[in-house]
Parts: sequence; C-alpha cells; structure tokens
Amino acid sequence: QKEVEQDPGPLSVPEGAIVSLNCTYSNSAFQYFMWYRQYSRKGPELLMYTYSSGNKEDGRFTAQVDKSSKYISLFIRDSQPSDSATYLCAMSVGAAGNKLTFGGGTRVLVKP
Amino acid sequence: GAVVSQHPSWVICKSGTSVKIECRSLDFQATTMFWYRQFPKQSLMLMATSNEGSKATYEQGVEKDKFLINHASLTLSTLTVTSAHPEDSSFYICSAIAGGRAGELFFGEGSRLTVL
Repeated sequence: QKEVEQDPGPLSVPEGAIVSLNCTYSNSAFQYFMWYRQYSRKGPELLMYTYSSGNKEDGRFTAQVDKSSKYISLFIRDSQPSDSATYLCAMSVGAAGNKLTFGGGTRVLVKP
Repeated sequence: GAVVSQHPSWVICKSGTSVKIECRSLDFQATTMFWYRQFPKQSLMLMATSNEGSKATYEQGVEKDKFLINHASLTLSTLTVTSAHPEDSSFYICSAIAGGRAGELFFGEGSRLTVL
C-alpha cells in the first residue's frame, strides 16, 4: 500500500463547476500538507500549504485537512479551462528541510 | 514566489554518455535542494537530498555512483547522470527550500532526458 493515495483520474468537469480533489494517507506523523499544480512537462507549482487539521482558503482554492481520518481535500471553485492540469498532494512530517511524500496526482480537465 | 531554474530543459544523448543537469536558485540561497525523477503519468519520486558543502543523501534504491550530485554553492546544485542508458530517460526535477518551511519548497521547470 502506498503511503499517500490519490485517484489518478482523469476528472472531467464543465467550466464553472467545483473541482473536488482528495488524498488519503497512512502515516499519522504527517503534519504539513501541500497541494501542487503541474502542467504538462513543467515543474510543480505550489498552490496551498496547510499545517495540521483545518481549512484554508485562498481565492478560488480551499484546502481541508482531517488528520483524524487521514484525509485531505482541495476544492477549486468556478473552475476555468486554465485549471486543466495534474494536481499533486504532498505531505511531510516536519517543516524545514524535510522531504515531501507525493500522491500520484489527479489529472483534471475543465471543458469550456 | 521564489524562482528555481533548471538547465537544460531538454536533452537527448547517446547511451553510455554522461549528462549534467543544473539547478539554480535565482533569488534566494538554498542550503538544501532536492532531486526528483518523474516517469510519464507517475508522481515525483525523491532521488536524493543535496546539502550545500556536504555529500548528498540518496534514497533507497538510487545508485549514488550513477547519479552524481554536487551542491558546491548556496545557489547551485548539479545532477550528473553517468553512463546513461535508455531506462534513465525521465523527467528530472529539482526543488529548493526558501525560508526554511516545507511549504516554501519551490520547484524548477524540470529537465527531460532522453537516452537513445
């Protein structure tokens, strides 16, 4: 079993819909949770960064962490075709200098 | 956000040759850089952690003699794939920490290596 599980998709939604992404994990020591967006043949771009459980909102993006269930989510409101990309969740045990464990990524396609 | 630059972005080489990939932090100093490898439609797999002025720490299963990492300055880390073979063809991505938090880990644009 992988340490971080993420549905590979593809997830296809119409423009303007809410995109719902999630990851589950097995290591209860993870405390820092990130979401990255990766366009084809590009490096990942950090979208959201949260520590421990709770919600965080940034523009159209909302990240949720439920440590009791070992489950994290990312919601994208008012999705745009430019949101079409692969979304990677990542997490780490510590902060500074700690390596990230990535999920496999979910490919999202927003249709105009 | 902070900028991490990789060069070259794309390289093709013959089997048996060595290829060097550079990773630079352009507007910040990075004492720690990470090297990842990503195969098509798969996630990033950490290869090694590069620390300025010391030897890199390799993940299990990664051959340190094949993937040479040098972090000679606070803004530059290099990955050399020695005696490359077709199975080494992959997307290599570096990242660097800015500010000392995992959330401030910035990635380069990646380098696509194709070994013929």
